[in-house]
Amino acid sequence: NAGVTQTPKFQVLKTGQSMTLQCAQDMNHEYMSWYRQDPGMGLRLIHYSVGAGITDQGEVPNGYNVSRSTTEDFPLRLLSAAPSQTSVYFCASGPSGEWEKLFFGSGTQLSVL
Amino acid sequence: GQNIDQPTEMTATEGAIVQINCTYQTSGFNGLFWYQQHAGEAPTFLSYNVLDGLEEKGRFSSFLSRSKGYSYLLLKELQMKDSASYLCAVRDSNYQLIWGAGTKLIIKP
Repeated sequence: NAGVTQTPKFQVLKTGQSMTLQCAQDMNHEYMSWYRQDPGMGLRLIHYSVGAGITDQGEVPNGYNVSRSTTEDFPLRLLSAAPSQTSVYFCASGPSGEWEKLFFGSGTQLSVL
Repeated sequence: GQNIDQPTEMTATEGAIVQINCTYQTSGFNGLFWYQQHAGEAPTFLSYNVLDGLEEKGRFSSFLSRSKGYSYLLLKELQMKDSASYLCAVRDSNYQLIWGAGTKLIIKP
C-alpha cells in the first residue's frame, strides 16, 4: 500500500500565484485533513473532510480551498499565495471511528516570496 | 482558549529513561494522543489515552490524569533512533485535535 501520497515535496511561489497541493490515499479512509506546521507552533488544521462531498473549515482556513469529489483525493488550493503561507503542509487521513490515529503524507515545504 | 504545553527540548542518554510531560487546557476532552516526528518527516501515531492510567506499548508508555489535565510519555532503554520530536494532541469537545508544539528529544551516546 502507498498510504498517503502528497505532492509536490517542495514548491516556491511568488506572492499572488495560485497552486494546488495534491493528496491521495489508498486506504479507503473517510476522514482526510490538511495541516500546516510552523516552527514553535503545533500543527494547525486548515480544512477537513469526513467523506466524499463533505468538507469543513478548521482553525486556519483563510486563503485555502478544498474539495472532496472522491474518497481517495483531497486537494488543497492556495488561491493567491502570501508570504504568511510559507510553511510545511501535511495531508493526513484516518479510518472511520478511529480517525485520530492519523496517517500523514510526507509533507510539502512551501515558500512564498 | 485552548492550550497544550510541552517542554521545547529535552536531552537524554542512550540506554536511559526519559519522561516527556504534557499539560492541557481544552474545551472538553475526548482523548489524548502522542505522535513521533523525526526531523523532516511526517508525524506517526504512538499512543492513545482516554481513561486515567498507564498504557504500555513496548519501550513506550503513556500516562493520563484527566483531573490534573496531565499526561506523560515514558521512553525506556533509549536508542539513538528515538531522537525525534514528540507531539501531544488532545481531542476536544468538537472532536477536533488540538496539538502541542512538540518536544524535541536529543539522545546522546
